[in-house]
Amino acid sequence: AQSVTQPDIHITVSEGASLELRCNYSYGATPYLFWYVQSPGQGLQLLLKYFSGDTLVQGIKGFEAEFKRSQSSFNLRKPSVHWSDAAEYFCAVGARGATNKLIFGTGTLLAVQP
Amino acid sequence: DGGITQSPKYLFRKEGQNVTLSCEQNLNHDAMYWYRQDPGQGLRLIYYSQIVNDFQKGDIAEGYSVSREKKESFPLTVTSAQKNPTAFYLCASFSPNPGQGASEAFFGQGTRLTVV
Repeated sequence: AQSVTQPDIHITVSEGASLELRCNYSYGATPYLFWYVQSPGQGLQLLLKYFSGDTLVQGIKGFEAEFKRSQSSFNLRKPSVHWSDAAEYFCAVGARGATNKLIFGTGTLLAVQP
Repeated sequence: DGGITQSPKYLFRKEGQNVTLSCEQNLNHDAMYWYRQDPGQGLRLIYYSQIVNDFQKGDIAEGYSVSREKKESFPLTVTSAQKNPTAFYLCASFSPNPGQGASEAFFGQGTRLTVV
């Protein structure tokens, strides 16, 4: 069965510091992988996605993620965090097949210190 | 602008009442999904519809019902059988990826349901 693990429930970084949010997945083949961001009381917005090809994926707002098959990971990174990046981040995995079912991780809440 | 609209943003329900959450999209997407979000639990799938007039139960369908009579609309009814309905509900539609599986989800702004 598919599953997604986000080991860090809560992370605090200083503004201007680099950021890495961890995501590990369990899936029998190469999945589709996504990172979404959610501001309080809002819906989710897609940051980036990996379907195939280049394992380093660029997204919006200066985020990137790297698919590492050997580690079953899809970690999200940003070289310099801005105060507006404070939000909750969700990693999701999707199956290759007939449906759009996504499995979401439990999320990582990011706080940014001035 | 194309997008997904959920209404209302806040909803209060008395014990024993059924309530219906609205989800409308003008993205011309076939697939629409309902998720429930609780603190620390991520998103859990309630119901989904891959095409008009067809829908499937998700992982936590008990106490919920849906209909899909129009491509644009996928309302969710929270029935009195749902014992713990207080949560944040998110509707999503998916861009086409025919036969290839998961594609990009577009989310509404959510409805926060509270039982009073």
